Amino acid sequence: AQKITQTQPGMFVQEKEAVTLDCTYDTSDPSYGLFWYKQPSSGEMIFLIYQGSYDQQNATEGRYSLNFQKARKSANLVISASQLGDSAMYFCAMREGNTGNQFYFGTGTSLTVIP
Amino acid sequence: DAGVIQSPRHEVTEMGQEVTLRCKPISGHNSLFWYRQTMMRGLELLIYFNNNVPIDDSGMPEDRFSAKMPNASFSTLKIQPSEPRDSAVYFCASSPGLAGAPYNEQFFGPGTRLTVL
Repeated sequence: AQKITQTQPGMFVQEKEAVTLDCTYDTSDPSYGLFWYKQPSSGEMIFLIYQGSYDQQNATEGRYSLNFQKARKSANLVISASQLGDSAMYFCAMREGNTGNQFYFGTGTSLTVIP
Repeated sequence: DAGVIQSPRHEVTEMGQEVTLRCKPISGHNSLFWYRQTMMRGLELLIYFNNNVPIDDSGMPEDRFSAKMPNASFSTLKIQPSEPRDSAVYFCASSPGLAGAPYNEQFFGPGTRLTVL
């Protein structure tokens, strides 16, 4: 089974609107971390936000928030007030406590912000 | 504070040639990862090291690929002989080690764009 599933190959959003990028994960480890990365057309991978499995509150970083629903094993990224510069690929990733080091990445979602 | 450094940034070579990609992780990071990214296959983990020791190389596509980490500040990924299907962007990433895991993110280098003609 896939550890990380991103079901939206491509998404469009109007500038200044909010958008949600979906991510579901699969693990039996009670201790894990969830991460979102942004990859603009220039190619670099930029860390955006992190959520720990024991965190009680959803993580927020500026316009980014992570909608963490533990029972559903989902970790959706919400981008508020979209900007043209948000157009990029977005990857969800997980790191498990037992294995410790390996990161599992999803296939990514391509977001296009429309002016 | 310097991030993960990769060299070269671009490499164009001919089929059959040896290619060596280099990576300097962030100082103090104990874990190092090599990834390959293509349009067809997405982001693939090739190998990762913890404290300079290879932990999992199951993602290395075949014997033509090898990776080393002789010390905490340097790693290489070598392809010998190279083939056109090896054309991809190769990323190196580092992360603080097991202490604090799984709560430490990976920091990626800028990548090496490899083209094998």
